[in-house]
Amino acid sequence: GESVGLHLPTLSVQEGDNSIINCAYSNSASDYFIWYKQESGKGPQFIIDIRSNMDKRQGQRVTVLLNKTVKHLSLQIAATQPGDSAVYFCAEIGTNAGKSTFGDGTTLTVKP
Amino acid sequence: DAGVTQSPTHLIKTRGQHVTLRCSPISGHKSVSWYQQVLGQGPQFIFQYYEKEERGRGNFPDRFSARQFPNYSSELNVNALLLGDSALYLCASSLGSGQPQHFGDGTRLSIL
Repeated sequence: GESVGLHLPTLSVQEGDNSIINCAYSNSASDYFIWYKQESGKGPQFIIDIRSNMDKRQGQRVTVLLNKTVKHLSLQIAATQPGDSAVYFCAEIGTNAGKSTFGDGTTLTVKP
Repeated sequence: DAGVTQSPTHLIKTRGQHVTLRCSPISGHKSVSWYQQVLGQGPQFIFQYYEKEERGRGNFPDRFSARQFPNYSSELNVNALLLGDSALYLCASSLGSGQPQHFGDGTRLSIL
């Protein structure tokens, strides 16, 4: 079946540095992905999305890169702040049957 | 505008009981998806409903069921509760399949 996985379960960075969180997926037919941020006691918060007809998309301080050849996507956070500390999930969002698949998350810790 | 709202926020049940969890989507969203999130893992897809019809189902037993009402709110029902059903149950709404999903803060279900 489909799977979505993250390369590292934890990531620790210094405040002000850039962070890169990676994700691999298995279904070559996947065509829509979302990155979520989840803080303790809250539901996942939408950060940025990307469709398979793009290889890069930028938001405020965040960039998502999609490499369909190797089935890999990444989330880049510029000038990481303490408020960015959270668990980050990549998700493949089903476009037909409605099934969506999440990875197990990367815990980002930002050191002051 | 209000985001996705879920009720109750916390619930304690015993084995064998049943439970009903409720979700109100963002105004204008016609699709509701349910997820189960066990501590330390990513959300696992349970159901998606669109226009009151089931559009997707994950690998969960028949003890899990859901429905969507004409106002697009939704209920998730779980019968014959097991200890392993203890989890955070998340609801997400979107305009439709393949559209950005926005999550509520979940219902924390504990089974004793």
